[in-house]
Amino acid sequence: AQSVAQPEDQVNVAEGNPLTVKCTYSVSGNPYLFWYVQYPNRGLQFLLKYITGDNLVKGSYGFEAEFNKSQTSFHLKKPSALVSDSALYFCAVRAGTSYDKVIFGPGTSLSVIP
Amino acid sequence: KAGVTQTPRYLIKTRGQQVTLSCSPISGHRSVSWYQQTPGQGLQFLFEYFSETQRNKGNFPGRFSGRQFSNSRSEMNVSTLELGDSALYLCASSPGQSIYISGYTFGSGTRLTVV
Repeated sequence: AQSVAQPEDQVNVAEGNPLTVKCTYSVSGNPYLFWYVQYPNRGLQFLLKYITGDNLVKGSYGFEAEFNKSQTSFHLKKPSALVSDSALYFCAVRAGTSYDKVIFGPGTSLSVIP
Repeated sequence: KAGVTQTPRYLIKTRGQQVTLSCSPISGHRSVSWYQQTPGQGLQFLFEYFSETQRNKGNFPGRFSGRQFSNSRSEMNVSTLELGDSALYLCASSPGQSIYISGYTFGSGTRLTVV
């Protein structure tokens, strides 16, 4: 069965510093991987996806993520954090070999401190 | 273009009642997925519909059901409500075809409170 882990419930980073939100996954076959962001009392917004190809994927709002097959990881990164990046971040995975469901990780709360 | 529309935004129901939530996906999208979000359990997959057929189902009891209409609009129904059903119910829209793997577009959700 597929699963997603986000080992940190909370990440705090100073404004202007680089940020990383971690994600590891387990899936049969090749994965489709996604990152979403959720602001308070809102639905989730799509940030980026990895389907195939280049391991470094660029997405919305200056975010990027690196796919590492050997470590089964898909960490979200941003070179310089903004206070407005403070939100809940979800990693998600879907098995790439079928019309399988998309499973979400538990979420990581990111706080960017001015 | 219009986003994903979920109605109603807020709902308060009594234990034992039933409830129907509605989701209108982005025009042209044929897949609708439903998720339950709670602080303790995170996002739990309920089901996915594609072209009026249930394509995937999560591990929820039979009290939770759904359907999709020919215009791709979807409804989910919860019967015999329990206090633990209180949650934010999110609908996610996507094209659904294998040749185009996209991220979901989510609605703002329906906040269900069972008292």
